Amino acid sequence: LAKTTQPISMDSYEGQEVNITCSHNNIATNDYITWYQQFPSQGPRFIIQGYKTKVTNEVASLFIPADRKSSTLSLPRVSLSDTAVYYCLVGDVNAGNNRKLIWGLGTSLAVNP
Amino acid sequence: GAVVSQHPSRVICKSGTSVKIECRSLDFQATTMFWYRQFPKKSLMLMATSNEGSKATYEQGVEKDKFLINHASLTLSTLTVTSAHPEDSSFYICSASRGNEAYEQYFGPGTRLTVT
Repeated sequence: LAKTTQPISMDSYEGQEVNITCSHNNIATNDYITWYQQFPSQGPRFIIQGYKTKVTNEVASLFIPADRKSSTLSLPRVSLSDTAVYYCLVGDVNAGNNRKLIWGLGTSLAVNP
Repeated sequence: GAVVSQHPSRVICKSGTSVKIECRSLDFQATTMFWYRQFPKKSLMLMATSNEGSKATYEQGVEKDKFLINHASLTLSTLTVTSAHPEDSSFYICSASRGNEAYEQYFGPGTRLTVT
């Protein structure tokens, strides 16, 4: 099962670009990388997912190098409402076609005015 | 699309009673549903994985007789905390997967359980 390592916390200011890097040295060939955002007392919300190179959607970009042992979530021009915990997960499929994701501690991002 | 609801959002119960939490996928069919618990300022802990029509697979250390999971249809899974005790107080979150190749889970808003 692939585990992930992220910084525990990060600070930023409104309008800045924030990059959160996650290490996943044991990523397997079939694993995808997924990032979630969670606000206090709410369920996590899917942000972005990728397998390799770069993926971009309306809220973020995900950069994955060729060896796939790390990934970087990029949030352009953050606002106060982006203050949340961000989780990097590496997908794993166990027997019976169940999809189990291993949740790390996440990165607590604080965006300051 | 891909909305998951949970009910109730908050529940307070007395020690020794049982509590049922419902998780519904509102606009898609969920082949797999997951149940998590989360303590304050901690990460999500997977409790069990369930596929529609079959028995749930519990994670190590999770008592299946205490946390009963039923996944009777492609849109509904329930978690029953039996004989609840104060240490069961936690934030319980369900998620649902559509069953495609992408490891994308859609989460419910969570249920805050307080056992007094």
